[in-house]
Amino acid sequence: EVQLVESGGGVVQPGGSLRLSCAASGFSFDDYAMHWVRQVPGKGLEWVCGISGDGGSTNYADSVKGRFTISRDNSKNSLYLEMTSLRTEDTALYYCAKERDYAEYFFDYWGQGTLVTVSS
Amino acid sequence: DIQMTQSPSSLSASLGDRVTISCRASQDISSYFNWYQHKPGKAPKLLIYAASSLQSGVPSRFSGSGSGTYFTLTISSLQPEDFATYYCQQSYSLPLTFGGGTKVEIK
Repeated sequence: EVQLVESGGGVVQPGGSLRLSCAASGFSFDDYAMHWVRQVPGKGLEWVCGISGDGGSTNYADSVKGRFTISRDNSKNSLYLEMTSLRTEDTALYYCAKERDYAEYFFDYWGQGTLVTVSS
Repeated sequence: DIQMTQSPSSLSASLGDRVTISCRASQDISSYFNWYQHKPGKAPKLLIYAASSLQSGVPSRFSGSGSGTYFTLTISSLQPEDFATYYCQQSYSLPLTFGGGTKVEIK
């Protein structure tokens, strides 16, 4: 059974940093691209970033480019999101999501999310 | 960026009703289009990919159609477990973008 479990969310002040993790199980992790998608409370879904299966290729939404870094450790079946220079508008529930197949850019499994609150 | 516009933003329907949700893309995305179901506190669930392909395990009362810029999701007979918010998503180009969501509520 595929499982994605996010952790690392919390409350942080504007300008601060936070590192999210996503532990994956139930599939061959290094065969699949992974992504982060967020949802501002009460709003819709927003794609944040993605990383290829080997970690060699990454892509970011303009809203986070230069502030967020996606990475993965295939030996630990883990996905990460390093968030710096956080803004109040980054407050959201952050989901990790598995791409269904190579370069398909849609997601067949999602975690339940970890909440990031940016507030002074 | 490709804008995805869903309608309606919410609807009320009764058990057994046929429900149709639409989504329009701001440019031609061929069939690079997907639908998700999202319930509060749960992980989003892939329903339809490539505009009309049913994801494994999804009930056949869900169907998708369309290509180019206009797409629809139809639930043929609404069941209690279908009350949720539905999102469309284009997978044609980065950045990936989602529609604003359609909340399906009980009448």
